[in-house]
Amino acid sequence: RKEVEQDPGPFNVPEGATVAFNCTYSNSASQSFFWYRQDCRKEPKLLMSVYSSGNEDGRFTAQLNRASQYISLLIRDSKLSDSATYLCVVPGGSYIPTFGRGTSLIVHP
Amino acid sequence: NAGVTQTPKFQVLKTGQSMTLQCAQDMNHNSMYWYRQDPGMGLRLIYYSASEGTTDKGEVPNGYNVSRLNKREFSLRLESAAPSQTSVYFCASSDGTLVSNEQFFGPGTRLTVL
Repeated sequence: RKEVEQDPGPFNVPEGATVAFNCTYSNSASQSFFWYRQDCRKEPKLLMSVYSSGNEDGRFTAQLNRASQYISLLIRDSKLSDSATYLCVVPGGSYIPTFGRGTSLIVHP
Repeated sequence: NAGVTQTPKFQVLKTGQSMTLQCAQDMNHNSMYWYRQDPGMGLRLIYYSASEGTTDKGEVPNGYNVSRLNKREFSLRLESAAPSQTSVYFCASSDGTLVSNEQFFGPGTRLTVL
């Protein structure tokens, strides 16, 4: 199993839809997790941190399932501006941050 | 605050040429990182520096060297560029320990090796 796995998508959804992405990880000792957003040809920027069971920020909810070793990102009421690639980050071997390959989201009118 | 700055923004090299990518942060962060991003591969860690004076290999260090010049600056050197090193290079920094803190990224350097 790869250290961090994400469905690359793209997820193509209409405005207003609810969409969810998952990210599975293999290092069961991982304690802190992150979701980053990356716009085309730009640098990644932190979207949310997930330290315990979950975190909510407006339309965005991140959850952690330690038993099944995955984190999820839920986006409610999708906006056109949510179109981007979403990267999950998990501590890998030697606690080095390991990025997933990203999930592409396209929100259309 | 400028955050994390990288120079140059774009570079074209011929096979065998050398160059140094520069990175600086003004947030007084302890940890700094160099990543490369290729289509379909996500971000892969080349080298990192957990604190001033230390550097360690990441996932893909071959063909690269780094220098943590001081707390602010972390440079990446390609001694003999190869076409396989064509990529977008991102520098990042974070406060505190390696994995428990948000990473702040620079705008990237787009490198093409012919």
